[in-house]
Amino acid sequence: RKEVEQDPGPFNVPEGATVAFNCTYSNSASQSFFWYRQDCRKEPKLLMSVYSSGNEDGRFTAQLNRASQYISLLIRDSKLSDSATYLCVVNKGDFNKFYFGSGTKLNVKP
Amino acid sequence: DAGVIQSPRHEVTEMGQEVTLRCKPISGHNSLFWYRQTMMRGLELLIYFNNNVPIDDSGMPEDRFSAKMPNASFSTLKIQPSEPRDSAVYFCASSLRAGAESYGYTFGSGTRLTVV
Repeated sequence: RKEVEQDPGPFNVPEGATVAFNCTYSNSASQSFFWYRQDCRKEPKLLMSVYSSGNEDGRFTAQLNRASQYISLLIRDSKLSDSATYLCVVNKGDFNKFYFGSGTKLNVKP
Repeated sequence: DAGVIQSPRHEVTEMGQEVTLRCKPISGHNSLFWYRQTMMRGLELLIYFNNNVPIDDSGMPEDRFSAKMPNASFSTLKIQPSEPRDSAVYFCASSLRAGAESYGYTFGSGTRLTVV
């Protein structure tokens, strides 16, 4: 079983739509969770950390459900510039060793 | 801050040749990571260092791969001999680890390796 699993998509949504991605992780001892964004042929970039109480950054909201071992990312009022692959990241045991999901591709259409 | 700097950006080499990838982490970061990304396997952690010491190299594919970090500002990943299946984008990332607190990584722009 993979450490981190994501729906690869693609999610094709119109501008202004709300879209949500989920990601499941296998290690119940995981302590750190992140969402990264990767544009085509570019490096992954940190989008936001995910905290136990949930957190929001502008149009982006991240949630953590420890009981079910999944994290989510909600994007409101989608913009064309949100088109990218979103990577779910979880640590395992060693706090500084992270596992990346394979990514969920988002296409925001005009 | 210049970020994580990797070189070269692109490398095309013939099978059997030695390839050396280079990375300069962000100043002050104490952890450095080498990842490989392919369409089939996504991002795979190859090896990581903490305070210049290799901590976990369980992701290194085989003996053809080796990595060093002689000081806090430089690391290399070497493939010798290279094979076509090594073709991928190799990313270096660095982060700051403070006790049990974990922070996100900052990635370099990557080296796109093609072995023909």
